[in-house]
Amino acid sequence: GQQVMQIPQYQHVQEGEDFTTYCNSSTTLSNIQWYKQRPGGHPVFLIQLVKSGEVKKQKRLTFQFGEAKKNSSLHITATQTTDVGTYFCALYSGAGSYQLTFGKGTKLSVIP
Amino acid sequence: NAGVTQTPKFQVLKTGQSMTLQCAQDMNHEYMSWYRQDPGMGLRLIHYSVGAGITDQGEVPNGYNVSRSTTEDFPLRLLSAAPSQTSVYFCASSRQGSNYGYTFGSGTRLTVV
Repeated sequence: GQQVMQIPQYQHVQEGEDFTTYCNSSTTLSNIQWYKQRPGGHPVFLIQLVKSGEVKKQKRLTFQFGEAKKNSSLHITATQTTDVGTYFCALYSGAGSYQLTFGKGTKLSVIP
Repeated sequence: NAGVTQTPKFQVLKTGQSMTLQCAQDMNHEYMSWYRQDPGMGLRLIHYSVGAGITDQGEVPNGYNVSRSTTEDFPLRLLSAAPSQTSVYFCASSRQGSNYGYTFGSGTRLTVV
């Protein structure tokens, strides 16, 4: 099945700084999903990207899908302490697959 | 709606014991999956189901069984618990098709001693 590399593994930022996490694949993706998991919590679905070059925004969060559909990014502007958690990208393993495979995640810490 | 309900929230087992982790969803979702989460390993798929009576293996199925007799329920059975199965287990469900995100339960933290 398809695999995805997520970087960085950890990120510490001062409150107010920006944050970006990246997911990279060696193969073309049909779509990609993003999830957030707060400490001690469960993953929560944020968004899905489907189209080449797609950009979607949710308040301070900006999601992008690469033109070649091999990479994606999540950017948070002016981080807040409420942004703390682990951000995962996820994708379906191959055409017609029902298996949702997750990246290893980026753990974000925000220093007040 | 309750969403995805997992029970128990915490469990301690002795090596060799068996148990069933329960998962129920009330959203009439076709897809259901079980994941385990270990530090540094992300979420790994154990088993999944695309509908009642249909199950398949994921990335790490050994030592686990599942069944899906109804749309709502998708229990995960540990046949003979091992310390390597100490983990946090998440059940998740989704509407049919790859255009929908998964809704996760709150998880079961399992320790095998």
